[in-house]
Amino acid sequence: DQQVKQNSPSLSVQEGRISILNCDYTNSMFDYFLWYKKYPAEGPTFLISISSIKDKNEDGRFTVFLNKSAKHLSLHIVPSQPGDSAVYFCAAGPSGGYNKLIFGAGTRLAVHP
Amino acid sequence: DTAVSQTPKYLVTQMGNDKSIKCEQNLGHDTMYWYKQDSKKFLKIMFSYNNKELIINETVPNRFSPKSPDKAHLNLHINSLELGDSAVYFCASSQEGETAPHEQYFGPGTRLTVT
Repeated sequence: DQQVKQNSPSLSVQEGRISILNCDYTNSMFDYFLWYKKYPAEGPTFLISISSIKDKNEDGRFTVFLNKSAKHLSLHIVPSQPGDSAVYFCAAGPSGGYNKLIFGAGTRLAVHP
Repeated sequence: DTAVSQTPKYLVTQMGNDKSIKCEQNLGHDTMYWYKQDSKKFLKIMFSYNNKELIINETVPNRFSPKSPDKAHLNLHINSLELGDSAVYFCASSQEGETAPHEQYFGPGTRLTVT
């Protein structure tokens, strides 16, 4: 029962172009969403988050969009750089209470010159 | 000055053995977690402690026992190891009540291999 789904296991993008990573969720109780980035042999690192009261959050080259009616969020990276090559995890959880996050399976992004 | 550290980084052991993984955070956070990343790469929460109290306990075999001696430490002890326990185990921490309440900081992971 995957409550958070990242249907694309991998994505290849040319340097300088836009990378779009997608995530779908099923649980209507989720109202806080995060993206984590993970390099090999390291732990995930927090990238950007969005709460359900917003539909967009931007931080430098990274923008997260939330479509609550479609239960869909996406991470846009523009322009993409080779250092962005990593696995990106989408995570979701309810606000309030304790931070039980549900993670997707990840999407491996490769940015090539 | 690593924020969340885990030891050991790699652990290879035989079935039936008992082993422990240690985690320490120096961020002053009050909540710590253990996650398991299985062969399908899903990160699944196992346990969470807030101020040394167990607050999340997912469906995990009781061979797994977390222990939090203080807010900065959360250890994971595994008894009678099985082949299916082979995975990468991540420790994480967060601070309740911050503006980004779900931002968790992860350790580098411990790769456990049971032979």
